[in-house]
Amino acid sequence: VQLVQSGAEVKKPGESLTISCKGSGFSFTSYWIGWVRQMPGRGLEWMGIIYPGDSDTRYSPSFQGQVTISADKSISTAYLQWSSLKASDTAMYFCARGGSGDWNYRDYFDYWGQGTLVTVSS
Amino acid sequence: QSVLTQPPSASGTPGQRVTISCSGGSSNIKSNYVYWYQQLPGTAPRLLIYRNNQRPSGVPDRFSGSKSGTSASLAISGLRSEDEAHYYCAAWDDSLSGLFGGGTKLTVL
Repeated sequence: VQLVQSGAEVKKPGESLTISCKGSGFSFTSYWIGWVRQMPGRGLEWMGIIYPGDSDTRYSPSFQGQVTISADKSISTAYLQWSSLKASDTAMYFCARGGSGDWNYRDYFDYWGQGTLVTVSS
Repeated sequence: QSVLTQPPSASGTPGQRVTISCSGGSSNIKSNYVYWYQQLPGTAPRLLIYRNNQRPSGVPDRFSGSKSGTSASLAISGLRSEDEAHYYCAAWDDSLSGLFGGGTKLTVL
């Protein structure tokens, strides 16, 4: 099982951005994929999860409307998207594999990507 | 401030047993499983405990988890220098969102 994330990004406030997470070694359509934020020097924050099999998506209230989570099951890739970045979006973002089955959205993250560092600065 | 409350720091000497607590509520810890993650500096988190007290393969049995009511704890026995890391508890909340605790930095003295 592997989750490989896209590389570090440096963006300006107001710009849009999409980062990716490609899964391999497992049935990508049968597991939830989650996104977790870690701001510099801070703890982990649960952002949301998607079930690539049917694109069912759940967001944390803190991130609802701030980001968009999507997936392309044909290429086993999940995405995290911003339409207008803010300096406060500067953070490391991790994707992780969640539970198996469309009903199992509450389960743990057992495999993690290496992280994508997003820096937003004017 | 996290809904799941952890002490910001903990410490112990090699060989000692340390515990890290995680306090929540009836909508998260009491009614859902608790998970624990270890994050070494500069790395991605690693699953340490799932479903309250289960260890994934490869996790030493020095690590154990427990849950009672609205609280959970992670115990590390036979403390080793390589256990120095941040530890996070996590649980689903019935408001339909996952939660992480604020994290505990463990120092091995």
